[in-house]
Amino acid sequence: AQKVTQAQTEISVVEKEDVTLDCVYETRDTTYYLFWYKQPPSGELVFLIRRNSFDEQNEISGRYSWNFQKSTSSFNFTITASQVVDSAVYFCALSEVDVDKIIFGKGTRLHILP
Amino acid sequence: EAGVTQFPSHSVIEKGQTVTLRCDPISGHDNLYWYRRVMGKEIKFLLHFVKESKQDESGMPNNRFLAERTGGTYSTLKVQPAELEDSGVYFCASSQSGLAGVGEQFFGPGTRLTVL
Repeated sequence: AQKVTQAQTEISVVEKEDVTLDCVYETRDTTYYLFWYKQPPSGELVFLIRRNSFDEQNEISGRYSWNFQKSTSSFNFTITASQVVDSAVYFCALSEVDVDKIIFGKGTRLHILP
Repeated sequence: EAGVTQFPSHSVIEKGQTVTLRCDPISGHDNLYWYRRVMGKEIKFLLHFVKESKQDESGMPNNRFLAERTGGTYSTLKVQPAELEDSGVYFCASSQSGLAGVGEQFFGPGTRLTVL
């Protein structure tokens, strides 16, 4: 069965600190996609990244980076030099390639304190 | 280009009443999805349309929920009669057809439903 676990319910850090959001997933498939979404206070879901299971290269986009490790079934997300605008709920998600729906974790609420 | 839009943004109704949520996908997107998040839990898939056809409705909680997508454009999700446990945020998403694997799903802002 598919499952996404975000063990951190809520995190608070002071602005400019680095923060890592953990994500562990379960799937029986060898081909799947992993996602991160951001939900700011305004409520919409903002797509951040999609990775397929064959691409384990870490990715960096500005202050955001993602560490995908198949050996530990983890897809962690790091924000470097956090800013107040990064405050949001972040969802990790999974989809198997032949199932066109997304399975979400419960989300991690991130507070960046000024 | 306009994104996915949802109406209303917030709805407060009493138990037993009916509510209809609307989603307008991105123009040209054949795939339309409904998800919901109830009280601090994960966002859960409800159903998936391809054009006007229901491709997968495995996530629909019970027969009080009815989704339609007449003409393959906008979609409505009706809850009748609403129960307290239906409170939550209902998200709609859309994606283009023809992409390998899972197409990028663009989410709307959600409708926050409160059942009193």
